[in-house]
Amino acid sequence: EAGVTQSPTHLIKTRGQQATLRCSPISGHTSVYWYQQALGLGLQFLLWYDEGEERNRGNFPPRFSGRQFPNYSSELNVNALELEDSALYLCASTRARYSYNEQFFGPGTRLTVL
Amino acid sequence: AQSVTQLGSHVSVSEGALVLLRCNYSSSVPPYLFWYVQYPNQGLQLLLKYTTGATLVKGINGFEAEFKKSETSFHLTKPSAHMSDAAEYFCAVSDLQAAGNKLTFGGGTRVLVKP
Repeated sequence: EAGVTQSPTHLIKTRGQQATLRCSPISGHTSVYWYQQALGLGLQFLLWYDEGEERNRGNFPPRFSGRQFPNYSSELNVNALELEDSALYLCASTRARYSYNEQFFGPGTRLTVL
Repeated sequence: AQSVTQLGSHVSVSEGALVLLRCNYSSSVPPYLFWYVQYPNQGLQLLLKYTTGATLVKGINGFEAEFKKSETSFHLTKPSAHMSDAAEYFCAVSDLQAAGNKLTFGGGTRVLVKP
């Protein structure tokens, strides 16, 4: 069974540009979570999508947005990039929206903003 | 709001020695607790989880953790460290109050294993 996949592996952008990160969940998983792992800030919850809808978001500005497609894959968009957006962005998926379900993580996309 | 504290951002152990990583959480309701491991340039892999039932939880790679409600702790142990255990370890709690299972992570503990 294929795991969670993310693309691209690395992404280099300049300040003010937009970045698009993609995530494909494990087959059969309907929930997708996005986390940001920034140096010195640890792992922080960004967004949760389930059944095509945004269900919850963390304490991030509106320029962080995304969507979930009918096949449950997801896209994270970061507009008006700032230097502090440089981080590893991790996507995770679960079978359903229950708290005890394990989240399976992808390898991440490393975003560098110059 | 829930929070997780991991005591010690770096731990150094000798190969064959006990590994002990400390995790304390804050939660107003019974939590679901997780330990994840992250190897360099990789995502997170679940080591073990506590939901309900037995408070001593066994995971992969010889790790185990004990849920102690009175101490609000979920410390991770491994009796004998192996070189392959060098990685960063994250304790996390699931937010039952909000919809879904958003994870709140501790700051992580990087483990160095000395030969």
